This record gives sequence, C-alpha cells and structure tokens, in this order.
Amino acid sequence: GIQVEQSPPDLILQEGANSTLRCNFSDSVNNLQWFHQNPWGQLINLFYIPSGTKQNGRLSATTVATERYSLLYISSSQTTDSGVYFCASDKAAGNKLTFGGGTRVLVKP
Amino acid sequence: EAQVTQNPRYLITVTGKKLTVTCSQNMNHEYMSWYRQDPGLGLRQIYYSMNVEVTDKGDVPEGYKVSRKEKRNFPLILESPSPNQTSLYFCASSLKWVGTQYFGPGTRLTVL
Repeated sequence: GIQVEQSPPDLILQEGANSTLRCNFSDSVNNLQWFHQNPWGQLINLFYIPSGTKQNGRLSATTVATERYSLLYISSSQTTDSGVYFCASDKAAGNKLTFGGGTRVLVKP
Repeated sequence: EAQVTQNPRYLITVTGKKLTVTCSQNMNHEYMSWYRQDPGLGLRQIYYSMNVEVTDKGDVPEGYKVSRKEKRNFPLILESPSPNQTSLYFCASSLKWVGTQYFGPGTRLTVL
C-alpha cells in the first residue's frame, strides 16, 4: 500500500512564528487531505488538496503531485494552532485514507 | 449544520459484552468509513461502505461488524469486545468514494 511520511515529528514555535510541515507519499494519489487533531482529539479538516495550492486564513497548502509531496504552511502561529497535524492520502478505489505519523506542534505564548 | 455524529462519545465496558457505536451523517454522503486510532500505530481503517448495502473490509476488520441499511447511518458493532479493542474510534463520510472525508468527534472506548 501507499506510504505516507511526515516531517518534522515535533515542532515547537513561539507565537507569531511561521512554519512549514511536509508530507511525502510513495505513489500517485487520488486524495490528499490535511487534518488538525486538537487537544480534545477531534480531527478537523484543513484541506483537500490532491494537487495545487489552497489558502484558508493563516493556513495554506501546496501539493506537487508529480514529485509526491505536500506542504502545509502555518503563518503567524497562535497557541490555538497547537495539536497534531496529519496528512492522509489514498490511491485505490475505496477512499481508504492512509495517514502519516503526524507532526506534533506546540505554540508557546 | 452539516456534520457527522457518533454515540456514545465515551464508553467503558467489559470483555465480551456486545456493544454498538452509532454513526450518522446529515450530508447525504454515499461513502462512510470507520477508523481506529492507537498510540504508535496511527489511524487505520476498519470498514468502509460505498453506499447502502455495500460494505467492505479495511485494514483491521477483525472483531468488528458493520451494516449500512440507510444512507445516513453506519453503526460499528463489537460482538465480543476484547481489551485490544480499547481505542479511539472515528467515523467519517464523503460525498463519493473520492473527495474530502469529514470526521466525527470520536468515541473513546475502553474494554476492561
């Protein structure tokens, strides 16, 4: 099956800083999503982005499908951005998302 | 409000006592799925359903059953729960078999 790797595994930021999270996947994909898991465990959809670039407020994402990677940018980070960020992708029919190991982000005030 | 709901949100039970975790979506989505999340193992798919009466196994189906009698509901059934099924469970849905998947709030299950 498809392999999804995220880096870095952990990230500590000062409030206001910018950061980039990376997701590499091993094969061409139908689907690429970014999620934020908050401290209460809820998985919040950030982006559906199998290719191209999208922006939503302080967050943006870019997927370069031909090179099999996706980037999530967090600008002007806030303490509420803390949590774990997952990327997930699928290749085959069935929309089975394979999740990366996550990047744990801590934003300090 | 468009959403995926799960019940219960928290459950502590004992080995062998049958239980059902309900999942419902109000977005008329065809595709629904169950995942479990475990420390060190991440999120893994248990079962999925492409539409009413169409279900199939994911990566870790052992010990679970599902049914899809109505489009909006996709319950997860544990006929004889065991401690290794202690986990955080998520239900998800999407309009079709590709596209954005929306996740429910999660059900934290403990089997003693």
